[in-house]
Amino acid sequence: NAGVTQTPKFQVLKTGQSMTLQCAQDMNHNSMYWYRQDPGMGLRLIYYSASEGTTDKGEVPNGYNVSRLNKREFSLRLESAAPSQTSVYFCASSEAPFSGGDPQETQYFGPGTRLLVL
Amino acid sequence: RKEVEQDPGPFNVPEGATVAFNCTYSNSASQSFFWYRQDCRKEPKLLMSVYSSGNEDGRFTAQLNRASQYISLLIRDSKLSDSATYLCVVSPYSGNTPLVFGKGTRLSVIA
Repeated sequence: NAGVTQTPKFQVLKTGQSMTLQCAQDMNHNSMYWYRQDPGMGLRLIYYSASEGTTDKGEVPNGYNVSRLNKREFSLRLESAAPSQTSVYFCASSEAPFSGGDPQETQYFGPGTRLLVL
Repeated sequence: RKEVEQDPGPFNVPEGATVAFNCTYSNSASQSFFWYRQDCRKEPKLLMSVYSSGNEDGRFTAQLNRASQYISLLIRDSKLSDSATYLCVVSPYSGNTPLVFGKGTRLSVIA
């Protein structure tokens, strides 16, 4: 039982390049999330998927797209990377996104992807 | 007012000390509350949920004060291994939005 896995662990991009961050969970969770974490800013929600087939914008969606490929997988795409997107990206999953209380809302995080855009 | 606010710290305490963190939240309709722990260069992990009656897990005690809209985390007999950032997390329960994470309070336990 691996929980939430993310690939790659590290990535260096040049401005304008594109890439896709992959995330998968094996806990049969309905909801998945993408966050970025920058020094002094805390975790900021980029996009989330409350259930398979749905996606919604979070606090900082500009410059990103997501795909909920199936119940297990949720990918994050940077179409044209910018230096401002240098960050640590975390994927998370939960049984339910909201209104479910503990334990449904508890989020489990992947180990993160460190992205540097030059 | 930000949805979830925490003192960023750092709190530097000696081993064996008792330390407490507070967190305030703005949405009075919030129903679910959590403390997460994040070690340096690692992902956040659930430390404990916070129930209305308060709850304890070993050296850790979490309490909720709905009237004043804050939650607290008390750590007794601090260990070096408690050094981490502690994130306060709240479920807004409005507009169907997911959990809101505070920016965290950094704790350093010193030998």
